[in-house]
Amino acid sequence: AQSVTQLGSHVSVSEGALVLLRCNYSSSVPPYLFWYVQYPNQGLQLLLKYTTGATLVKGINGFEAEFKKSETSFHLTKPSAHMSDAAEYFCAVSDRPVFNKFYFGSGTKLNVKP
Amino acid sequence: NAGVTQTPKFQVLKTGQSMTLQCAQDMNHNSMYWYRQDPGMGLRLIYYSASEGTTDKGEVPNGYNVSRLNKREFSLRLESAAPSQTSVYFCASNGSGGWGRRTEAFFGQGTRLTVV
Repeated sequence: AQSVTQLGSHVSVSEGALVLLRCNYSSSVPPYLFWYVQYPNQGLQLLLKYTTGATLVKGINGFEAEFKKSETSFHLTKPSAHMSDAAEYFCAVSDRPVFNKFYFGSGTKLNVKP
Repeated sequence: NAGVTQTPKFQVLKTGQSMTLQCAQDMNHNSMYWYRQDPGMGLRLIYYSASEGTTDKGEVPNGYNVSRLNKREFSLRLESAAPSQTSVYFCASNGSGGWGRRTEAFFGQGTRLTVV
């Protein structure tokens, strides 16, 4: 089974600062990779995904992530944090064979300070 | 465009009571999932259904049963609720079904269940 590690359960940045949320996965075969965002008392919303092709993926709200096969990583970044980015972020992977089974990291809560 | 709809949104049960969480999707997706979310543990897969007529256990199936009623609906049943089942439950679906037809998982808004 896949495992997904998100380093840092809580990350705090100042408004306007760089956001970096880390995600590493365990797989000998590159999986599909996703970042989801969850606002309080809501469901999960897709930020971006990597399936094939370009390893730098751009998503909504100015976020992007880079798939690095050699590092088995898919870190999420945003150049300038906004107060509205405060939420919990989940990295997820799914296996490439026929059935999509999704494995989630434990989540990182992003706090944005004024 | 409803997407994935879960009912109810909130529920309080007494230990030993039973209940069914309902989920329906209108995206013609083959695959559906039930997850539970607990603080610091991310989302853990309870059961999934790869296609209509099939269901399989996920990571934490004990204490739960599921029914894939048709392509649209996938219900989760707690036969005898326990305090350890206090959690937020999410239903999701995705359009897996063959090479080149992968999509991400789409989530419902969640059911907040408290067992006292």
